[in-house]
Amino acid sequence: GQQVMQIPQYQHVQEGEDFTTYCNSSTTLSNIQWYKQRPGGHPVFLIQLVKSGEVKKQKRLTFQFGEAKKNSSLHITATQTTDVGTYFCAGHADYKLSFGAGTTVTVRA
Amino acid sequence: EAQVTQNPRYLITVTGKKLTVTCSQNMNHEYMSWYRQDPGLGLRQIYYSMNVEVTDKGDVPEGYKVSRKEKRNFPLILESPSPNQTSLYFCASSFFNDGYYEQYFGPGTRLTVT
Repeated sequence: GQQVMQIPQYQHVQEGEDFTTYCNSSTTLSNIQWYKQRPGGHPVFLIQLVKSGEVKKQKRLTFQFGEAKKNSSLHITATQTTDVGTYFCAGHADYKLSFGAGTTVTVRA
Repeated sequence: EAQVTQNPRYLITVTGKKLTVTCSQNMNHEYMSWYRQDPGLGLRQIYYSMNVEVTDKGDVPEGYKVSRKEKRNFPLILESPSPNQTSLYFCASSFFNDGYYEQYFGPGTRLTVT
C-alpha cells in the first residue's frame, strides 16, 4: 500500500534560522497536503498542492510538490517561537489520505 | 461555527467492553474519516467514508467498525477493545467532489484500554 515517509522526525532550530522538512511517497499522488499540529491540539490544514512542480508560499513558509508528484517539502525561513509544533504531510491517492510521521519542531530563543 | 465535534474527549475503559466514539460535522461534507495517532507513527487512517452508506477501510481497520447512516455523523465502534487500541483518535471531514480536500479535524478523543 501507499507509504509516506517524512524526515527529519525532530528539528531543533535556533530562532531566526531556516529549516526544511521533506516528504516522500512510494506512489504517485494526486495531491499533497500539509498540516500543523500544536502541542495538545489537533491537526490544522495549511495548504494543498496539486500540480507537478507546484510552489506555494504562505508568508515565511514555502511548499513544493515534486515534478514526479511523489515528494514534497516545506521550508520555513526565519523561524519564530510560533512555529513550534508538528508538521505533517499527507498524500492523497485512490480516495485514501496517508500521513507522514511528522516533523516535530522546537525553537531555541 | 463550522466544526467537527467528537465525544467523549477522554475515555478509560476495560478490555472487551464495547464502546462508541461519536463524530459529527456541520459543514455538509461528503468525506469523513477516522485516524489514530501514536507517537512516532503519525496519523494512520482507520476507515473513511465518501458519502452516506459508502465506507471503506483505511490502513489500520482491524478491531474497528464504522457506519455512515447520515451525512453529518460518522461513529467509530470498538466491539471488543484491547490495550493496543489505546491511542489518540481524530475524526476529520472534507468536501470531496471539487478536487480540494482540506480536512477539518475534531478535537480528538484520548482512549485508554486497560
